[in-house]
Amino acid sequence: GDSVTQMEGPVTLSEEAFLTINCTYTATGYPSLFWYVQYPGEGLQLLLKATKADDKGSNKGFEATYRKETTSFHLEKGSVQVSDSAVYFCALRDAGNKLTFGGGTRVLVKP
Amino acid sequence: GAGVSQSPRYKVAKRGQDVALRCDPISGHVSLFWYQQALGQGPEFLTYFQNEAQLDKSGLPSDRFFAERPEGSVSTLKIQRTQQEDSAVYLCASSLDGSAGAFFGQGTRLTVV
Repeated sequence: GDSVTQMEGPVTLSEEAFLTINCTYTATGYPSLFWYVQYPGEGLQLLLKATKADDKGSNKGFEATYRKETTSFHLEKGSVQVSDSAVYFCALRDAGNKLTFGGGTRVLVKP
Repeated sequence: GAGVSQSPRYKVAKRGQDVALRCDPISGHVSLFWYQQALGQGPEFLTYFQNEAQLDKSGLPSDRFFAERPEGSVSTLKIQRTQQEDSAVYLCASSLDGSAGAFFGQGTRLTVV
């Protein structure tokens, strides 16, 4: 079946540092790929998405590129802020519209 | 409403008790999903509705779990004879259609004691 693997956290960074969270997937067909974010005490929010190979999703300074050849969708941000502290989930959506999530990566940004 | 609303936010049940969790999706959203999120894990798919039709229930862990959406709007997830391993956050999500981005509610945290 489909699966998503993302790097385990926690990832601890200083403000203005560069953030990368690795995500790779296994799927049949051509899934859409997503990053969701969960801020402390809040629900899951869609951060960005890409629906086909080589698409780049971007939002709030975060970017991720759909790489079919490496089955990856790594999340990057050039300069993180304390407010980016959250848990980040990589996910894929199959043809049946079901989302499959990775285990989540906790990011802590220190001032 | 403005977002997906779930109730109750917290539920403590004694082992063996039946529980019902409610989800009010965003108005007009055709697709509705239920997920289970154990502590420190990613959400796991339970079931999917398109309007009132339950198109996929492959993620329901046992026949103690039952979901319905009789009028294509509000949905209820029912768990019969709760067990300790049912303790988790139950998330509901809706989308305009299945291919659009899904919006999640804040979840119901179920604790079985």
